[in-house]
Amino acid sequence: DAKTTQPPSMDCAEGRAANLPCNHSTISGNEYVYWYRQIHSQGPQYIIHGLKNNETNEMASLIITEDRKSSTLILPHATLRDTAVYYCIGTGGFKTIFGAGTRLFVKA
Amino acid sequence: DAGVTQSPTHLIKTRGQQVTLRCSPKSGHDTVSWYQQALGQGPQFIFQYYEEEERQRGNFPDRFSGHQFPNYSSELNVNALLLGDSALYLCASSLGQMEKLFFGSGTQLSVL
Repeated sequence: DAKTTQPPSMDCAEGRAANLPCNHSTISGNEYVYWYRQIHSQGPQYIIHGLKNNETNEMASLIITEDRKSSTLILPHATLRDTAVYYCIGTGGFKTIFGAGTRLFVKA
Repeated sequence: DAGVTQSPTHLIKTRGQQVTLRCSPKSGHDTVSWYQQALGQGPQFIFQYYEEEERQRGNFPDRFSGHQFPNYSSELNVNALLLGDSALYLCASSLGQMEKLFFGSGTQLSVL
């Protein structure tokens, strides 16, 4: 699995877009970028994943650079309920390895 | 549609004891993965079960073992408990070994 690097914490104002970066310079061609989040005391929740193209779903958008060495998770209109730890994972499957993630604080 | 369910939610054991944690996967899922999460850290991969066999294993000692049943449910067993085994144990299920994970709420294990 690819090693990923994320900032330990970020702040975002409620209603604004939250842009969470992730570096995965060692990612191989067949490894996907997955994002999960974990709200306090709950199990992680799947958000989105992608291989090469940008992806969007009802929760977020994922922007992957053309060289695939980094990506950005975008929460378009952050709410207080989006306060959580966000994990970026590069994986080819079989086992999903979590790092320390980014602790996002959404402030009113 | 029931999601991933884990039991018990909380458990207190003493050093040296053995513990069994249980997990029922999301309906239709056939693969179960177990994670250990210490306070303030990300989940650490223990192992994955598919077709009733352990397919992948993380860096955990043999005291950690598991089982998957024909109905895809799974158990995690930890023998000779240590204080350091105190953690939140998370179960995740997926449809196949390489798909997105759905997590349960976990079992909080305290070893005294």
